[in-house]
Amino acid sequence: KAGVTQTPRYLIKTRGQQVTLSCSPISGHRSVSWYQQTPGQGLQFLFEYFSETQRNKGNFPGRFSGRQFSNSRSEMNVSTLELGDSALYLCASSPGEFSGANVLTFGAGSRLTVL
Amino acid sequence: DAKTTQPTSMDCAEGRAANLPCNHSTISGNEYVYWYRQIHSQGPQYIIHGLKNNETNEMASLIITEDRKSSTLILPHATLRDTAVYYCIVRRETSYDKVIFGPGTSLSVIP
Repeated sequence: KAGVTQTPRYLIKTRGQQVTLSCSPISGHRSVSWYQQTPGQGLQFLFEYFSETQRNKGNFPGRFSGRQFSNSRSEMNVSTLELGDSALYLCASSPGEFSGANVLTFGAGSRLTVL
Repeated sequence: DAKTTQPTSMDCAEGRAANLPCNHSTISGNEYVYWYRQIHSQGPQYIIHGLKNNETNEMASLIITEDRKSSTLILPHATLRDTAVYYCIVRRETSYDKVIFGPGTSLSVIP
């Protein structure tokens, strides 16, 4: 059974650019959540999608957005990149709704460097 | 703020049991305790979770105190590959609550 796939694994952007990251959940999983991990702030929740609807959002500016498609695949976008957006972006999927009853399975992450 | 507190770091001798504590004194009756670990900035790996009862799987055991205010993750025979940051989190059974990670415990397994 394939795991959570995130692409690209590594990317370098410059300030002011935008970036789109992709996440393919485990087959059959309908919930996808996104996280940002930096050395200073640790692992922080960005947002979560279930059945193409955003159900919850973390404390991030509007430059961070996402969406989920009908096949449960998800993308997140960061516009007007800042140096502080350099981070490991992680995606997780779960089989049912986003709750403690369902285990989150994480992908390997997309490492973004902003120059 | 994280709902859990963990030691910043721990050492464990290879082959011995690693016991990682977690305090979750404000846990609610419908909140699960989850453990994940992260190796070298890879994605966090699920280890185990429980609601009220102790749990065991092929990776570890989870011991939850009777009042549910704390728990211990036990790796029965630690190997060098168990060196990682271990995160203890709580999640409500039926809710879309944000998942909040603390800084975790950095476990070093010593040869």
